[in-house]
Amino acid sequence: DIQMTQSPSSVSASVGDRVTITCRASQGISNWLAWYQQKPGKAPKLLIYAASTLQSGVPSRFSGSASGTDFTLTISGLQSEDFATYYCQQAHTFPWTFGQGTKVDFK
Amino acid sequence: QITLKESGPTLVKPTQTLTLTCTFSGFSLSTTGVGVGWIRQPPGMALEWLALIYWDDDKRYSPSLKSRLTITEDSSKNQVVLTMTNMDPVDTATYYCASLGFVSGSSSYYYYGMDVWGQGTTVTVSS
Repeated sequence: DIQMTQSPSSVSASVGDRVTITCRASQGISNWLAWYQQKPGKAPKLLIYAASTLQSGVPSRFSGSASGTDFTLTISGLQSEDFATYYCQQAHTFPWTFGQGTKVDFK
Repeated sequence: QITLKESGPTLVKPTQTLTLTCTFSGFSLSTTGVGVGWIRQPPGMALEWLALIYWDDDKRYSPSLKSRLTITEDSSKNQVVLTMTNMDPVDTATYYCASLGFVSGSSSYYYYGMDVWGQGTTVTVSS
């Protein structure tokens, strides 16, 4: 299975901060990487797919990038509604696998 | 508007078989390219992909659970059913179904993940 390793596991930030979350794949996955946001007690929500394509309706402060097997989710100008847990997921090879999650909470 | 909703028992006993139903609207599994997947999340833990089924009845399973999982679809009812045999307390989790996101290529489809999720259903395995 392809292992997806997220870092950090948690980050404390303030409204307005720029937050960067990294996901590393254990082998090449081209750009088949998606990012999800999950709030407590809620289902995940797709934010970005194909590493950098913003899902319809997602604010433009969210962006994604890729470099080899390293992928980055950036939130530029953190808003109060962005405090949540974020997961990456590869869709290149079965079984599809997720990272362990990164929790973004209040500093 | 695409919606999905999971249904099934909230409590099952060890060794029993779990049957979950995903009822969806806003799309048809008879439409070329469409697919539905199942994902679970144990309390306080990360997401785990379980299985998916495509419009053409092709199926994929998590290898670690393949012997215990069966995914089927009933296009006439807009439902996808997941069965998991020999349930154990470690299978306690919230189970989600989701529609597959995809883009069309010149002669194929490229699936990038799950674009619309159900609300999830919590299953506890306990005697």
